[in-house]
Amino acid sequence: GEDVEQSLFLSVREGDSSVINCTYTDSSSTYLYWYKQEPGAGLQLLTYIFSNMDMKQDQRLTVLLNKKDKHLSLRIADTQTGDSAIYFCAESRHNTDKLIFGTGTRLQVFP
Amino acid sequence: GAVVSQHPSRVICKSGTSVKIECRSLDFQATTMFWYRQFPKQSLMLMATSNEGSKATYEQGVEKDKFLINHASLTLSTLTVTSAHPEDSSFYICSARAGTGGFYEQYFGPGTRLTVT
Repeated sequence: GEDVEQSLFLSVREGDSSVINCTYTDSSSTYLYWYKQEPGAGLQLLTYIFSNMDMKQDQRLTVLLNKKDKHLSLRIADTQTGDSAIYFCAESRHNTDKLIFGTGTRLQVFP
Repeated sequence: GAVVSQHPSRVICKSGTSVKIECRSLDFQATTMFWYRQFPKQSLMLMATSNEGSKATYEQGVEKDKFLINHASLTLSTLTVTSAHPEDSSFYICSARAGTGGFYEQYFGPGTRLTVT
């Protein structure tokens, strides 16, 4: 199937770390992505990971991939109020250009 | 980074009329453009993939006669919603990609909010 699942909401205090989780079902995924969507706007690519990697770090963002369990996570260190948005994971598969998006996680950061 | 624009950002139309949404890649040539639909508080659903100069490939369940897609140049794709109905009201987002195969980032437009009355 093409299911990509995420928890719907996450609320964290400013300065804490946020961890957003994603599970997918298709083992043929080649790249996995994290996108950020602010209210009424399009999507911004935050980071991506190739399926043969298990970790990628980019400044405050850390992506962990457990291919065996088909589990992807995004950790945001020192979360700020400007990080409040909806975060989507997505996957693409070998020989296709299609992105399959997760259900989205709404991150709320409170002071 | 690369910029993708959409026009209009918001449109209200009457039931039964048609509305055209434009998607432009401003500073790169997009070999492939994608059209997504997003319902409130839901994920993006891919509607169709279009390559410049060829017919769009529609996803299962998307009516090609209702959602007309034209990708006439490497910087412009249009989505026309024909004979719009209130259930077509949604947020439509396009994205553009500079290459095929391997990793080429999809750049997303800001979206168009369509309301059919």
